[in-house]
Amino acid sequence: GESVGLHLPTLSVQEGDNSIINCAYSNSASDYFIWYKQESGKGPQFIIDIRSNMDKRQGQRVTVLLNKTVKHLSLQIAATQPGDSAVYFCAEIPYAGGTSYGKLTFGQGTILTVHP
Amino acid sequence: GAGVSQSPSNKVTEKGKDVELRCDPISGHTALYWYRQSLGQGLEFLIYFQGNSAPDKSGLPSDRFSAERTGGSVSTLTIQRTQQEDSAVYLCASSLNPGLVFGPGELFFGEGSRLTVL
Repeated sequence: GESVGLHLPTLSVQEGDNSIINCAYSNSASDYFIWYKQESGKGPQFIIDIRSNMDKRQGQRVTVLLNKTVKHLSLQIAATQPGDSAVYFCAEIPYAGGTSYGKLTFGQGTILTVHP
Repeated sequence: GAGVSQSPSNKVTEKGKDVELRCDPISGHTALYWYRQSLGQGLEFLIYFQGNSAPDKSGLPSDRFSAERTGGSVSTLTIQRTQQEDSAVYLCASSLNPGLVFGPGELFFGEGSRLTVL
């Protein structure tokens, strides 16, 4: 079946470095993508989202890039901090011909570890 | 409350027993979701509520799983005759409205209920 998956299960970086977390998706009908951060013992927390009619969106220290040609999504974190250590999930919603609800398909997750 | 509240935070039960997991969404949020996160896995959609109705329950893994929502607020996920493969973290999320527009419409997740079936 169609799914959203991640290339790298773990990523270790030094504090201050930039981090890039990648995600591949297979559903060409995907219309809306979200990155979530999940810290140990907590629920996922929204980071940033992007719609399929865009290829880049920036937030505070984070940038999401979308390449629809190769069905690839990435999350860039600038000046990574120890507090950024968590599991990062990409998620997608296919276009539903109108308003969609939060039926997300999640990737497997990438563990980001930031060393001081 | 300030966020999505779930109880119990941890539940250990014996195989074959029934369990109930509770979710209190953010006040005013009309949409409520249940997801399941198994060890080492991503999150799987279980069911979506809009108000007290469940227009999408396609993710419920078997007829042992059921959920209800009352008063457009609290939801209960019930698992009957639990099996070991039901062990997981069950996450509840709510959103202000079901229609996702670019930007908010984001889901707010609770901290989950960890279920262990012995």
